[in-house]
Amino acid sequence: DTAVSQTPKYLVTQMGNDKSIKCEQNLGHDTMYWYKQDSKKFLKIMFSYNNKELIINETVPNRFSPKSPDKAHLNLHINSLELGDSAVYFCATGGVDNEQFFGPGTRLTVL
Amino acid sequence: SQQGEEDPQALSIQEGENATMNCSYKTSINNLQWYRQNSGRGLVHLILIRSNEREKHSGRLRVTLDTSKKSSSLLITASRAADTASYFCATDARGSNYKLTFGKGTLLTVNP
Repeated sequence: DTAVSQTPKYLVTQMGNDKSIKCEQNLGHDTMYWYKQDSKKFLKIMFSYNNKELIINETVPNRFSPKSPDKAHLNLHINSLELGDSAVYFCATGGVDNEQFFGPGTRLTVL
Repeated sequence: SQQGEEDPQALSIQEGENATMNCSYKTSINNLQWYRQNSGRGLVHLILIRSNEREKHSGRLRVTLDTSKKSSSLLITASRAADTASYFCATDARGSNYKLTFGKGTLLTVNP
């Protein structure tokens, strides 16, 4: 079983569209994260949820809205997509010492 | 500026050689972690060293931490072609509320 899974793996869409990325974990961790990795491989945290409660929101535009329906899921919805949103988005969970377990990533391309 | 800066940005070695990557950071930390990312994949946690530890080993990996210099190093011994990947350090800063801050990574290429 995959510990942290994301769907879709690839997402190609037009500017202005709204899209969602889903994340599921079966590790039983309380904390989940969304990261954005740009073309230079710089990894930046976007959001963190602990037991369905938002605890980190790192200066992310309001067009990005995370939703955690339960402890095992953290979805990312993006409104009015822009060219600059093109990146790889990673979901991750945090272990006991905050070691992170990453999903395989979703490559978003905005045309 | 970015917490966690790796050095060098890129490193190319021959199979069997050792690879050393360095990481510097700016604030007090709970722990420092190293991750590997193969091309097109998610990051994989390699090793964690706590602020009260100075050295840690895991297989062919050796990590050191110098909190007085705010620096860490990752040594991979007897490198293999399969070690080719990007390596990132990440700091868990005190009071950061579970936030990890990643460096920009070192791209390691191990030539067969």
